[in-house]
Amino acid sequence: EIVLTQSPGTLSLSPGERATLSCRASQSVSSSYLAWYQQKPGQAPRLLLYAASSRATGIPDRFSGSGSGTDFTLTISRLEPEDFAVYYCQRYGGSPTFGGGTKVEIK
Amino acid sequence: EVQLVQSGAEMKKPGESLKISCKGSGYSFTSYWIGWVRQMPGKGLEWMGIIYPGDSDTRYSPSFQGQVTISADTSISTAYLQWSSLRASDTAMYYCARHGYGGISDAFDIWGQGTMVTVSS
Repeated sequence: EIVLTQSPGTLSLSPGERATLSCRASQSVSSSYLAWYQQKPGQAPRLLLYAASSRATGIPDRFSGSGSGTDFTLTISRLEPEDFAVYYCQRYGGSPTFGGGTKVEIK
Repeated sequence: EVQLVQSGAEMKKPGESLKISCKGSGYSFTSYWIGWVRQMPGKGLEWMGIIYPGDSDTRYSPSFQGQVTISADTSISTAYLQWSSLRASDTAMYYCARHGYGGISDAFDIWGQGTMVTVSS
């Protein structure tokens, strides 16, 4: 079973700053099957990126993804107030699994 | 509008049975895989299993195999998650989510609002 480890656990930043979130897999993952989700308190998760770097419908271009093999990154270029949330990576296809999440909080 | 609407919150006692639902609308329900995801209080997301309503092909995470049953009724565009005997450790928020156009090789593009299940004596 592939394990996804996200780091850091918590990221404390100010609005306007750049956020870099990491997702590391225990085995190589096809970039075609790596997604990122955003979850705000009391809400369901929302798909941000799929296939590692493709933005889902309606997702602003300040969200970008990169990576391959075992290391993937979600970057938020300039944090807006509504971006403070928890972010999960997911490997889908086959037996899906989620990372443990990174909380982006206001500094 | 494509959406998944889940049934309301449940409070149950240990040992009781439960079936929660997820109704799809705005798309061809039989053509997209539906999955279930658990989120225990204050914790992360766990993939439980998926069903293809078109032929009822169902797959479970090893962690949940034998613990829950996933089913679907295409006549009312509804997927279900059920327990025969609840435990306190089943207390969690449960989300249904739809795989995208690419099937299980696609991410979860639409999510239900979640159903909170509380199991307590």
